[in-house]
Amino acid sequence: GAVVSQHPSRVICKSGTSVKIECRSLDFQATTMFWYRQFPKQSLMLMATSNEGSKATYEQGVEKDKFLINHASLTLSTLTVTSAHPEDSSFYICSASPTSGPYEQYFGPGTRLTVT
Amino acid sequence: RKEVEQDPGPFNVPEGATVAFNCTYSNSASQSFFWYRQDCRKEPKLLMSVYSSGNEDGRFTAQLNRASQYISLLIRDSKLSDSATYLCVVKLNTGFQKLVFGTGTRLLVSP
Repeated sequence: GAVVSQHPSRVICKSGTSVKIECRSLDFQATTMFWYRQFPKQSLMLMATSNEGSKATYEQGVEKDKFLINHASLTLSTLTVTSAHPEDSSFYICSASPTSGPYEQYFGPGTRLTVT
Repeated sequence: RKEVEQDPGPFNVPEGATVAFNCTYSNSASQSFFWYRQDCRKEPKLLMSVYSSGNEDGRFTAQLNRASQYISLLIRDSKLSDSATYLCVVKLNTGFQKLVFGTGTRLLVSP
């Protein structure tokens, strides 16, 4: 149990385009999902916390208008990277925390974004 | 100062060796502690939680020292498959249960 999927697993896009990444909890409901970014040889950095039915909470330094998060249901959160630039190229990972507790975070397999 | 600090390594050890990783955290209000394992280009996977009394799971032993804000992971009888990056993770005492990750310690186990 506690499986989280992400789609796509890998995406290459041109500078200036937008990319949407989906995060789904497959066998549990998740009121809260988290979006992380990891650059090579660096730690995972929390970008934002996504709560079902409400606005996401962004970490300091993360532009909410650039990284649009929608958590429309208890099993799906999406991250849209708008007007992508090469410096947005990174490994984006989501995690989901079961609504029923015990507040473990289960990670998706990640999405590798390359902006050319 | 980083919230969670780890020696990046790499630690190069032969099969069968015992290896220990350390981690320090800066936020004294940290609530829970974990070790995650991350393989190259993959998502992190929970290895074990860390409790104040210390806990063991097979070849892995984790210790927490709240007074010193220090966490450790000991791996006995290293296997080739233990080669990975080990992430020290702290859960903050906030409403959203945020996790803060260390940069990880890379372990390479050789034959």
